[in-house]
Amino acid sequence: SQTIHQWPATLVQPVGSPLSLECTVEGTSNPNLYWYRQAAGRGLQLLFYSVGIGQISSEVPQNLSASRPQDRQFILSSKKLLLSDSGFYLCAWSRPGTGSYSPLHFGNGTRLTVT
Amino acid sequence: DAKTTQPNSMESNEEEPVHLPCNHSTISGTDYIHWYRQLPSQGPEYVIHGLTSNVNNRMASLAIAEDRKSSTLILHRATLRDAAVYYCILRDRQAGTALIFGKGTTLSVSS
Repeated sequence: SQTIHQWPATLVQPVGSPLSLECTVEGTSNPNLYWYRQAAGRGLQLLFYSVGIGQISSEVPQNLSASRPQDRQFILSSKKLLLSDSGFYLCAWSRPGTGSYSPLHFGNGTRLTVT
Repeated sequence: DAKTTQPNSMESNEEEPVHLPCNHSTISGTDYIHWYRQLPSQGPEYVIHGLTSNVNNRMASLAIAEDRKSSTLILHRATLRDAAVYYCILRDRQAGTALIFGKGTTLSVSS
């Protein structure tokens, strides 16, 4: 069966510090991968998605970047965090090449607080 | 993705059925209707999806209007654990298309 791992679960970082959040998927090959963010009291915002190694689509211009160095690894990074980067970050995967009828499966999320 | 409209909130009593409506009047012929729910402090969880016919699974039922301009998620017997934000999302057939979440419906369940 497929599983998705996301870490850390919580993180407190000072403004201006770097960020690296990691997500890995097991039990499937070439998954579609996604990063979402949910600010406090708000809806889920799509940040990045990837359909393959080195292929990243950015949905919202911001202080963040994403990379996919391996087939089942998706990393969210920032060189210098802003207060507005605080939120609940969620990684998700879906089956490759199955389009709109394939569900997304989410990890447990990382709650980031920038102080 | 086409837009959906859901009530901001709904209330239910435990062990009663819950009907969560969703309007999607601009749906295209290739859009699938997906439902997800998000419990507090957790990532969204897939509930059900469909294209034209009504769908049932262990979690819920999805009733789709004949013209596909609306749908209803049915929880047959609400429990306290069903209290969550429920999202109705349209998703087209492009491979790799991500889900665009709206504000959803916050369901409260009382004992």
